[in-house]
Amino acid sequence: SAVISQKPSRDICQRGTSLTIQCQVDSQVTMMFWYRQQPGQSLTLIATANQGSEATYESGFVIDKFPISRPNLTFSTLTVSNMSPEDSSIYLCSVEGLWSGELFFGEGSRLTVL
Amino acid sequence: KNEVEQSPQNLTAQEGEFITINCSYSVGISALHWLQQHPGGGIVSLFMLSSGKKKHGRLIATINIQEKHSSLHITASHPRDSAVYICAVGPNTGNQFYFGTGTSLTVIP
Repeated sequence: SAVISQKPSRDICQRGTSLTIQCQVDSQVTMMFWYRQQPGQSLTLIATANQGSEATYESGFVIDKFPISRPNLTFSTLTVSNMSPEDSSIYLCSVEGLWSGELFFGEGSRLTVL
Repeated sequence: KNEVEQSPQNLTAQEGEFITINCSYSVGISALHWLQQHPGGGIVSLFMLSSGKKKHGRLIATINIQEKHSSLHITASHPRDSAVYICAVGPNTGNQFYFGTGTSLTVIP
């Protein structure tokens, strides 16, 4: 199993500012996934963070808006840049168990942009 | 069209009732996951299935690969079961997972 510590758990931010979300995993993993969950919606993959290379972004998400760092095999950050109210969502990081294939998630970061 | 469809979207039950949540998918999969999301936003994995049936306590998950359908059953439901239940599939090609929109369950004492 994997335990993921994600922070902050929630924040209220002003329009135009940026916020960085951190995820720490208690074991080494190859890929970390960053998701956005807008109110009443399913999870949408923002990007896959790979250690030692650029993150792979999904259609509709760009590095300038959601820069990601992956300095080692246990840690990643997602920054939501130049925020607008439309960025108000829950952001989650996730990993897949290396041997089990089970999905593990952080506790989520509930972001409100005023 | 969504790759994963769940029903119902919302479900209210009396404590003790038997509950069924359904999930249909349209892609070839390596595994199907049932997840539970609490009001704070955190998600925990309940089951990972590639065939047959699994049981943990009062929870039972089944999958029919031929029909591309899975069900999550909760026996003797309890108010602490109130949460959003999400079906997710891992496709047999690529890394991306597909998620249903979730079923919001409320169990009334």
